[in-house]
Amino acid sequence: AQSVTQPDIHITVSEGASLELRCNYSYGATPYLFWYVQSPGQGLQLLLKYFSGDTLVQGIKGFEAEFKRSQSSFNLRKPSVHWSDAAEYFCAVGTQTGANNLFFGTGTRLTVIP
Amino acid sequence: DSGVTQTPKHLITATGQRVTLRCSPRSGDLSVYWYQQSLDQGLQFLIQYYNGEERAKGNILERFSAQQFPDLHSELNLSSLELGDSALYFCASSAPGSVGAQYFGPGTRLLVL
Repeated sequence: AQSVTQPDIHITVSEGASLELRCNYSYGATPYLFWYVQSPGQGLQLLLKYFSGDTLVQGIKGFEAEFKRSQSSFNLRKPSVHWSDAAEYFCAVGTQTGANNLFFGTGTRLTVIP
Repeated sequence: DSGVTQTPKHLITATGQRVTLRCSPRSGDLSVYWYQQSLDQGLQFLIQYYNGEERAKGNILERFSAQQFPDLHSELNLSSLELGDSALYFCASSAPGSVGAQYFGPGTRLLVL
C-alpha cells in the first residue's frame, strides 16, 4: 500500500531564508508525486508534480522538488521564502492504476517570520 | 481560482441529519474526486467518479454516498450525521489522461452539532 510521510509538522523560517520541506513515500512501483499548498481557509493548489524523466522539477511560485528514488524522497525547496509562502504544504503520491486517487501526507505548516 | 466550484461554503446541521454537498468540475474534466479533511484524520480520499461511473473508493463510510450526473457535476450525500463527520470536504477534478494532476475546489466546511 502506498503512504506518504512528512516528518515535520511545523517549520518556522525567516523571510528570505531558504526552505526545504521533507517528504518520504512508500509505493511498490514508480510513483507519481505531488506537492500541494493550502492557505488558511482555502482549497489545495498544485505546486508541482513528478511523473517521470528529470528528477528535479520546477513548480509555481519559485518552488522546486527533487525525486530521489534511492531515498524514497521528494523534498520541496525554495531558495528564498516570502511572507506569502506561509501556509500548509502537503506531499501526495498517486498510483499508476486507472484510479488516480492521491494519498496525502499529514502536512507541514510553514510559518514565516519577518 | 482552480475552476472547481463547490456549494455550499459552510453548512451547520444537527446529528442524525442528512446533507448534500455539490461540486462542479473544471470545464472538460471528466473525473471528480471527494476528499475529507479533518484534524484527526488529515486529508483522506473518499471516492472517485469518472464520466458518471464510480472508479475508486477510499475510506468512505456506508452512510456516505456520491454520484456524478450527465453534466458531470457531482454530489456527496452524508446521512445520519455524527459529530465526528464535522470536517472540510473537498472536491477535485482532473482532465482525461492527466494522471494524478487534480485541481481542488475551495471546500465545504461542515459542522455537525
